[in-house]
Amino acid sequence: GQQLNQSPQSMFIQEGEDVSMNCTSSSIFNTWLWYKQDPGEGPVLLIALYKAGELTSNGRLTAQFGITRKDSFLNISASIPSDVGIYFCAGRGPPNTGNQFYFGTGTSLTVIP
Amino acid sequence: DSGVTQTPKHLITATGQRVTLRCSPRSGDLSVYWYQQSLDQGLQFLIQYYNGEERAKGNILERFSAQQFPDLHSELNLSSLELGDSALYFCASSVDGQGNQPQHFGDGTRLSIL
Repeated sequence: GQQLNQSPQSMFIQEGEDVSMNCTSSSIFNTWLWYKQDPGEGPVLLIALYKAGELTSNGRLTAQFGITRKDSFLNISASIPSDVGIYFCAGRGPPNTGNQFYFGTGTSLTVIP
Repeated sequence: DSGVTQTPKHLITATGQRVTLRCSPRSGDLSVYWYQQSLDQGLQFLIQYYNGEERAKGNILERFSAQQFPDLHSELNLSSLELGDSALYFCASSVDGQGNQPQHFGDGTRLSIL
């Protein structure tokens, strides 16, 4: 199945630093979602984006739906230790793909206190 | 707490066996999605049900099957299990069937094949 290219694969940052990660696809998506997964738990929805160019914030998190509809970005400002986890992007394909959601391979974030 | 309940949390079995994983969606959600997450891969979409009917199919093996019952809970059946089937299996639910609303995930069932 289709896979989204998510980068970077992993990040090691100091507490207080800002974080940026992105997701790209060769196909156009109608919806972009960002999830965070902690060890032993299911992914938790962080931000949902429904329109090209849309910029949405959730606390210290900000995500954007790329204008080309082939990419999305997630930024975390002033990172804290509890931001540690794996971040996944997900894109929803058009109706001819069955409206499936395709997931990125994840960005593993480590925050050093 | 996402409101999506998956049981059991852990399952250990042997090759060739058959298991059933269960999912109860969030109250009010009509769609259920099943995903497989292996160590070396991301989340792989298996299958989606909406209000009891199969809506979309992903990379689901013929040895695997699923169904959604009238009370909207869903079961994923895995048969003739192989070592490579060891993975985390997640269920997610959403209100609609077209993907216009985000999916909310359960905590998964960890399947280990010995």
